[in-house]
Amino acid sequence: EAGVAQSPRYKIIEKRQSVAFWCNPISGHATLYWYQQILGQGPKLLIQFQNNGVVDDSQLPKDRFSAERLKGVDSTLKIQPAKLEDSAVYLCASNRGRDNSPLHFGNGTRLTVT
Amino acid sequence: AQSVTQLDSHVSVSEGTPVLLRCNYSSSYSPSLFWYVQHPNKGLQLLLKYTSAATLVKGINGFEAEFKKSETSFHLTKPSAHMSDAAEYFCVVSENTGGFKTIFGAGTRLFVKA
Repeated sequence: EAGVAQSPRYKIIEKRQSVAFWCNPISGHATLYWYQQILGQGPKLLIQFQNNGVVDDSQLPKDRFSAERLKGVDSTLKIQPAKLEDSAVYLCASNRGRDNSPLHFGNGTRLTVT
Repeated sequence: AQSVTQLDSHVSVSEGTPVLLRCNYSSSYSPSLFWYVQHPNKGLQLLLKYTSAATLVKGINGFEAEFKKSETSFHLTKPSAHMSDAAEYFCVVSENTGGFKTIFGAGTRLFVKA
């Protein structure tokens, strides 16, 4: 089966600019996650979707971050405006969602904010 | 509320010697526990998963972990380290609170000396 696809692979922007990341999960996976991994730290959950509904966005900085999964398949994460501290790898993951199945991760997008 | 603590940020072993990466967790429910590995510039990969069956779980590449409820621990071990085991390892707890919530530990970087 095809894995979780993410793009772009790398992105460099200046602070106060906007950026968007795209994720296409494994076919049939109902649950989609966005994680932020700052260098030297473990992944931190930003938002979790079940189909096209939000299950958990308690750690999403909603003043600047937004995410959507309109048709319950692919998803977009946006940052506007970006800050220096947003420099990180943004990971997308998916799983079946019906049980506690393991997460399948994409390769991530490495964001550098200058 | 769930949490996970990886007791060592760095572990260094010699090739051919045993590996022990320590993880403690807390959970209000019966959690599922996972170990993931992240090689440099690679995506996160599942090593093994505990869901409430056998307390000793075998994973890929010779790794195994033992679930000890009385100690709230889920330590990862391998009898003999290989150079290719050098990577970052994450302990993960997931519990069903009306939707599965997954939390990552901060990670343990494993160094393997020749």
